[in-house]
Amino acid sequence: QVQLQQSGPGLVKPSQTLSLTCVISGDSVSSNSVAWNWIRQSPSRGLEWLGRTYYRSKWYNDYAVSVKSRLTFNPDTSKNQFSLQLKSVTPDDAAVYYCARHYGAAFDIWGQGTMVTVSS
Amino acid sequence: EIVLTQSPGTLSLSPGERATLSCRASQSVSSSFLAWYQQKPGQAPRLLIYATSNRATGIPDRFSGSGSGTDFTLTISRLEPEDFAVYYCQQYGSSPPYTFGQGTKLEIK
Repeated sequence: QVQLQQSGPGLVKPSQTLSLTCVISGDSVSSNSVAWNWIRQSPSRGLEWLGRTYYRSKWYNDYAVSVKSRLTFNPDTSKNQFSLQLKSVTPDDAAVYYCARHYGAAFDIWGQGTMVTVSS
Repeated sequence: EIVLTQSPGTLSLSPGERATLSCRASQSVSSSFLAWYQQKPGQAPRLLIYATSNRATGIPDRFSGSGSGTDFTLTISRLEPEDFAVYYCQQYGSSPPYTFGQGTKLEIK
């Protein structure tokens, strides 16, 4: 079955870059029928979609307007994974971050979540 | 941006009762792109219903979804102890492509 395994630090200093990775098993990051997403959850913002990367003969990335200028996704076909880099973090970026597969009409597979704290 | 508003915020019921959760959209949502999730403490959300009324793999038939346009409903016919959790609706459509409701907490009365 498809599984997503997240990794990355749980503590980031203000103004630094948050980097998280999501390793895919049971599917391919370059599948042309799904999209690979990052979603975060905090008490203040609820569930917030951050963006997606997907392959349709070439790679596409879409980012939420709220983080577009700071966010980068990097699919890695050699390791079958995708990563998130969020620059210049502030305490407002503290949240639980999830990777998730969008297939068909919904997010059907989720990673286990990474709780991120922003503090010096 | 399509805003999804869920009601009630908290629903207090007893096992065996029927639960009705509402999700209202600020604009019309395609019924093909409305989903429901269940989340328990410390866990990621779990897909329950997709395309308004289709149960995801392994979801018991006591869960059902309905609706169209701007009004959607998740119904749990007979509550089991494991059903007490937070439920979210989510739409897939206009930019941003995905938005979630703020959640309904289903608690034991």
